[in-house]
Amino acid sequence: DTGVSQDPRHKITKRGQNVTFRCDPISEHNRLYWYRQTLGQGPEFLTYFQNEAQLEKSRLLSDRFSAERPKGSFSTLEIQRTEQGDSAMYLCASTRGGSGEAFFGQGTRLTVV
Amino acid sequence: AQSVTQPDIHITVSEGASLELRCNYSYGATPYLFWYVQSPGQGLQLLLKYFSGDTLVQGIKGFEAEFKRSQSSFNLRKPSVHWSDAAEYFCAVGAQNNDMRFGAGTRLTVKP
Repeated sequence: DTGVSQDPRHKITKRGQNVTFRCDPISEHNRLYWYRQTLGQGPEFLTYFQNEAQLEKSRLLSDRFSAERPKGSFSTLEIQRTEQGDSAMYLCASTRGGSGEAFFGQGTRLTVV
Repeated sequence: AQSVTQPDIHITVSEGASLELRCNYSYGATPYLFWYVQSPGQGLQLLLKYFSGDTLVQGIKGFEAEFKRSQSSFNLRKPSVHWSDAAEYFCAVGAQNNDMRFGAGTRLTVKP
């Protein structure tokens, strides 16, 4: 058990619908990352937070994607107007500081039909 | 920004044989380097990491990796592969004030 939990584990949605995922990091970790992983690929960086501040966003994160970490604890990733190309595993990870080992959650698998 | 290349998409080795998975990184300063393993349906598990000091690092499950600055490499090795090592392996590079970037992964198949 890595200590990072993600909810839900699986989500099937119709194209055009909005979805929201939640990540609860390890409690003393101040950095939280979101990644997207498609079949046969490595995790692709989406965004990360240090406490409640969103410090960097990948250009993969289109304007349909938004992430928040309002109190520096859990984080949410919302995808609006989902497209079939959004189907992927969304991974959350947390670290203590910027140089620590990243602990990953089990991921949320999104299927857009 | 940092980047990682894993040149081998898929490697097959016989059980008991030695293993080396290649990883090359690009980063302007001393990187933090990681190897993760992902089994089907499982999350990413850290095998080992390099931050500084001894360039040969030992990890879990009998794995080791060597940081070679001159070659910008951080190859993963294991002297004798077990069938349970079959999985996807990811190299990642990070920096203290930056995010962590992953390679595309190397899928390891172990023949009996």
